[in-house]
Amino acid sequence: DAGITQSPRHKVTETGTPVTLRCHQTENHRYMYWYRQDPGHGLRLIHYSYGVKDTDKGEVSDGYSVSRSKTEDFLLTLESATSSQTSVYFCAISGGGSSYEQYFGPGTRLTVT
Amino acid sequence: GQNIDQPTEMTATEGAIVQINCTYQTSGFNGLFWYQQHAGEAPTFLSYNVLDGLEEKGRFSSFLSRSKGYSYLLLKELQMKDSASYLCAVYTNAGKSTFGDGTTLTVKP
Repeated sequence: DAGITQSPRHKVTETGTPVTLRCHQTENHRYMYWYRQDPGHGLRLIHYSYGVKDTDKGEVSDGYSVSRSKTEDFLLTLESATSSQTSVYFCAISGGGSSYEQYFGPGTRLTVT
Repeated sequence: GQNIDQPTEMTATEGAIVQINCTYQTSGFNGLFWYQQHAGEAPTFLSYNVLDGLEEKGRFSSFLSRSKGYSYLLLKELQMKDSASYLCAVYTNAGKSTFGDGTTLTVKP
């Protein structure tokens, strides 16, 4: 299995508070992704990174920001959490080049009350 | 933009064969992935098709027709453990994957 972890695994927070989720990989993969998964919507891309300090927006990026200061870490921040951001968040990595498949972390279940 | 369609739910019998279809409309198409996701778990990679045709990997096969914007995942000799969601995802030349909403497969004895 690819070495990819997410922290925390579960979090309950209140509306209006900032939240940061961490994704850590030990595979030295170039690409890292943040998705959210909601019932009936599959996986939707929030932001992704194609290298250190290189990031781009996905299809549902409003209300989220990311940072990647090291190859192994990709942080997702909810500046001011809202109830609509209650979801399961998955981080994924891929090598790029000839290795296109993504390997997913175990997920973080976030509840905003 | 991307548009990916797959059936929401399917049911099949243990030991049977099932085909899960995926149609897509996209720009910058590079290839198509299939992932499996058991309830409460992360998705896991099953297959990646770049060229037209059938790719076989054990009990699972995946087919792609680029001209028709169509793919399917074929599962043979179904087992109870195959009950899961199957996600179709289009990989574009922007380095991103866009996922369909997934097909929930229930295998019955």
